[in-house]
Amino acid sequence: GQNIDQPTEMTATEGAIVQINCTYQTSGFNGLFWYQQHAGEAPTFLSYNVLDGLEEKGRFSSFLSRSKGYSYLLLKELQMKDSASYLCAVRVDRGSTLGRLYFGRGTQLTVWP
Amino acid sequence: GAVVSQHPSRVICKSGTSVKIECRSLDFQATTMFWYRQFPKQSLMLMATSNEGSKATYEQGVEKDKFLINHASLTLSTLTVTSAHPEDSSFYICSARVLGLAAYEQYFGPGTRLTVT
Repeated sequence: GQNIDQPTEMTATEGAIVQINCTYQTSGFNGLFWYQQHAGEAPTFLSYNVLDGLEEKGRFSSFLSRSKGYSYLLLKELQMKDSASYLCAVRVDRGSTLGRLYFGRGTQLTVWP
Repeated sequence: GAVVSQHPSRVICKSGTSVKIECRSLDFQATTMFWYRQFPKQSLMLMATSNEGSKATYEQGVEKDKFLINHASLTLSTLTVTSAHPEDSSFYICSARVLGLAAYEQYFGPGTRLTVT
């Protein structure tokens, strides 16, 4: 199976920076995704890493180390609307089926004024 | 951008009945669609991978005779929950992988909230 681990909850204040970590152990790894999900809604795509290194996209950045099975999502200049669950997901390509995503339990981020 | 719809958005059914949920890719063709289930305050659990024109591949522990998946065209996949029980109450979400474009991205539907009474 896939072992994907991320913290359950985090809190931060507006304007601050927060880093959400994710570790994973899986075979057939072919990339790691971060999604944002508000309660009762579908996940929305934030980032995708397949090679080691940092990908920056506006206020959000994502990092991957394949050798360490580790990723983080960095959120800068936090806003109240960033309060949501952040899901780490690994893509597994095995056999004839490509593109399966396995999700961590999600990190519920609360941003305080 | 790529849009995925689901119907219905909410459904309430009685125990023992069957419910069909539709997942459509509106402006693109999807050879592969995925079905997920999410219980309250938990993450998404992959149930099955649905390939157009072939049988679905189910994840370990998911009963294929209870959760019937049909992917009859490149834009439509359906999930039928047969003989539903209260423990099947959950948020069901589909996603679609875009044919021919960047192979990594999946687009998620808005989800279907199923309540079995």
